[in-house]
Amino acid sequence: DTAVSQTPKYLVTQMGNDKSIKCEQNLGHDTMYWYKQDSKKFLKIMFSYNNKELIINETVPNRFSPKSPDKAHLNLHINSLELGDSAVYFCASSEGRVPPKAGELFFGEGSRLTVL
Amino acid sequence: DAKTTQPTSMDCAEGRAANLPCNHSTISGNEYVYWYRQIHSQGPQYIIHGLKNNETNEMASLIITEDRKSSTLILPHATLRDTAVYYCIVMGTNAGKSTFGDGTTLTVKP
Repeated sequence: DTAVSQTPKYLVTQMGNDKSIKCEQNLGHDTMYWYKQDSKKFLKIMFSYNNKELIINETVPNRFSPKSPDKAHLNLHINSLELGDSAVYFCASSEGRVPPKAGELFFGEGSRLTVL
Repeated sequence: DAKTTQPTSMDCAEGRAANLPCNHSTISGNEYVYWYRQIHSQGPQYIIHGLKNNETNEMASLIITEDRKSSTLILPHATLRDTAVYYCIVMGTNAGKSTFGDGTTLTVKP
C-alpha cells in the first residue's frame, strides 16, 4: 500500500543512453513533482504537474522530459545521459498546488541513477 | 520563496528534547514554514508546518516567533530513530518551487 512508488530503485547505465523512471501515487493527489538530489544532498525541484498540466519547469536541460498520462502517474524520461545526471531522483505528490496543502509533500523512496 | 538557514549539525541525548532552529528572516506574510526530515537513503518525510501560530502533531511541535523570522522544531523525546537530516523550508504561492537547503544533521546518541 505504498503511497508514492518509483521504479526502478536503482539504475546503472552508460553515457549517451536513454532511460525512464516511473512514478505512481495512490493518494488521490492531483499534483506531482520530480526532485533531483545530487551528491551534495541538495534537493531541487525539476518539474511539477497538476492534473496532467505542467505547472513548474525549472532550469533543466531539455534532455529531461516529464510525462503525465494521468494525475496518478508522472514519468521522467532522460535522453543522452551524461555523467552529471548521476543523482537520486525523487517523485513526490501533494493535495493541491497552493499552500498549505501543496507543502505537504509525500515523497517516494527515490531512484538512484548512476551514469558510467 | 524565502531562503532559510539552519545549523549544520546537532547532537541530542536519547530521551531528551531536540530543538532544531531555523532562520527565515526574509519570509513573506503569505509564506508557510514546513519541516521535513530525511533518514539516510530514504525519501524526505513531511513533519509539520505553520503560518503564524505554534503547531503540534504526533511527531513534533513547531514554535514560530512573533515576527515570523525564525522557528524551532521540537522533538519532545528524541529516539535513535530520529537521527536524520532535518530541513526547514518556506513556501508561498509558488508551491513546490522551494529548494531544500543543507538542513541540520541531527544525531541522537544513547
